[in-house]
Amino acid sequence: EDKVVQSPLSLVVHEGDTVTLNCSYEVTNFRSLLWYKQEKKAPTFLFMLTSSGIEKKSGRLSSILDKKELFSILNITATQTGDSAIYLCAFGNQGGKLIFGQGTELSVKP
Amino acid sequence: SQTIHQWPATLVQPVGSPLSLECTVEGTSNPNLYWYRQAAGRGLQLLFYSVGIGQISSEVPQNLSASRPQDRQFILSSKKLLLSDSGFYLCAWSVRPGPYEQYFGPGTRLTVT
Repeated sequence: EDKVVQSPLSLVVHEGDTVTLNCSYEVTNFRSLLWYKQEKKAPTFLFMLTSSGIEKKSGRLSSILDKKELFSILNITATQTGDSAIYLCAFGNQGGKLIFGQGTELSVKP
Repeated sequence: SQTIHQWPATLVQPVGSPLSLECTVEGTSNPNLYWYRQAAGRGLQLLFYSVGIGQISSEVPQNLSASRPQDRQFILSSKKLLLSDSGFYLCAWSVRPGPYEQYFGPGTRLTVT
């Protein structure tokens, strides 16, 4: 059965810290890995990764995929209180579905 | 630009009552549409997806059903709600079929009492 595991499940940091969120997967027919940020309501799309070793970056957020070791990381540098959210990763399989991990709840304290 | 709407935003229903949640997408044609449920603020579970009008695929056997009566309208229904149906229901769309980015609506928080 396809599985996506995120760690840690929750994390508390202070403003200015750098955090690394992990997503590992055990899946067949891997096609893509996606990261989302969820605050109060709808998850918002951050990145989609399909190739190993190519970093995607948006401001203070960056992500990279390792298809050999079956994991991805999401880095957030110089964290701000507005980064507080649940971060979800999902893998996309050949059938076109997204399978989500359980999320990492990040809390950034002032 | 594309916009996705869901209503109602919150709903409290007694056990055994019917359910109808609606999702509409604006600004695109022939979207792929999805219904997810999120329990306890955690991972999303795919319930249904649709690649076109009248085409529904079910992922999890349960007392919920979905319909797509129009190109940009997706409805989640139940004839009789169970306590276990409580949760946060999210509708999503994607521009193309496949394992690509999906965009989510604001969600409906359902509490079954």
